[in-house]
Amino acid sequence: DGGITQSPKYLFRKEGQNVTLSCEQNLNHDAMYWYRQDPGQGLRLIYYSQIVNDFQKGDIAEGYSVSREKKESFPLTVTSAQKNPTAFYLCASSSHGTPGGYTFGSGTRLTVV
Amino acid sequence: AQTVTQSQPEMSVQEAETVTLSCTYDTSESDYYLFWYKQPPSRQMILVIRQEAYKQQNATENRFSVNFQKAAKSFSLKISDSQLGDAAMYFCAYRSLLRSNRSGYALNFGKGTSLLVTP
Repeated sequence: DGGITQSPKYLFRKEGQNVTLSCEQNLNHDAMYWYRQDPGQGLRLIYYSQIVNDFQKGDIAEGYSVSREKKESFPLTVTSAQKNPTAFYLCASSSHGTPGGYTFGSGTRLTVV
Repeated sequence: AQTVTQSQPEMSVQEAETVTLSCTYDTSESDYYLFWYKQPPSRQMILVIRQEAYKQQNATENRFSVNFQKAAKSFSLKISDSQLGDAAMYFCAYRSLLRSNRSGYALNFGKGTSLLVTP
């Protein structure tokens, strides 16, 4: 079955460390997105990519980095520059041809210890 | 950038009753998409309903329907015959049709409404 796989489900990071969250899709979707979810804040856009080898900053990109070397993959790196990285991270994808066809991963819970 | 506002952080409804969740948005675009997503405790995002702005007819999906008022930029969700399984966070979201839009095709979300369903 097609879908989006996010891994790991839970991730613990020591302060000062970089960590990378994985997001893989086999839906042949053109666009991929990373959102951060905090209590009472809804989902805020971190980065998005509309085609391979291209990505754009969202509303809260500081302290994060991404790459889009393959259509299927859109990993997110949370760097040590991110002041408050503890949050729930959601990856999503969509096809340009079907505006309503967003698919979400099951999320990664990142905790700084 | 488009903003989406959900003014009700929490709502409560009794089983079998009807509840309406509010959503307003701000945009200068004439064509766009609006969505309601449900996020149960599992945190998986589930599409509830979608509305294309060029369609005047309100979208309906079984017990879920919307009241889309384009001029007022309002997009409320009505849940009829509420069930215990409807308890979740509900997010309203906006999607531009313009690839050149500041957020591309990304969804802009409101802050959510937590719906409690009581027996």
